[in-house]
Amino acid sequence: DVVMTQTPVSLSVSLGGQVSISCRSSQSLVHNNGNTYLSWYLQKPGQSPQLLIYKVSNRFSGISDRFSGSGSGTDFTLKISRVEPDDLGVYYCGQGTQYPWTFGGGTKLELK
Amino acid sequence: QVQLEESGPGLMQPSETLSLTCTVSGFSLTSNGVGWVRQPLGKGLVWMGTIWAGGSTNYNSAVQSRLSISRDTSKSQVFLKMNSLQPEDTGTYYCARQRGDGFDYWGQGVMVTVSS
Repeated sequence: DVVMTQTPVSLSVSLGGQVSISCRSSQSLVHNNGNTYLSWYLQKPGQSPQLLIYKVSNRFSGISDRFSGSGSGTDFTLKISRVEPDDLGVYYCGQGTQYPWTFGGGTKLELK
Repeated sequence: QVQLEESGPGLMQPSETLSLTCTVSGFSLTSNGVGWVRQPLGKGLVWMGTIWAGGSTNYNSAVQSRLSISRDTSKSQVFLKMNSLQPEDTGTYYCARQRGDGFDYWGQGVMVTVSS
């Protein structure tokens, strides 16, 4: 199975600040078709996960441009700029390149 | 709008068979797949399996021998059945609409506890 490792496990940020979350995979996430199926999700407290980013850098419908994804191969980053209170929660990366699909362990974003 | 809602029993005994239903609206099961994701309490996400728009399925090898996902397109429902339940199967079960390589809309989840 592809192991997804997220760092850090938790992160403290001031409102208006910027943060980066790293996600590394144990194998390349480049699919045979040339696409890289790496997604980012946010799970707010008491809620189900919501899709933020798909295929490394594509924002899902309605997602603010304060969220940006980048990376390639096995190394990926989610950046959040001008952090707002509604951004707090646990962020997960997930891969859809190889079965079984797997997720990172999560990064909890908290207020400083 | 797209909505998914899970339903099923909250408490199960070890060795029993879990049956969950995901009722969808705002899209057709013949146009989009639906996946199931489990989240143990306080822990991360685990993909369990997916039924695709054409009716084919893919399962996580960790649970494949115990898991079955099916659907009734006329009722817009997807079903999860998992046998030989153990306490480690405890968690929140989500159904989510497949967007190919991930999940774009999620249900609110149903908590399942496996305990004697």
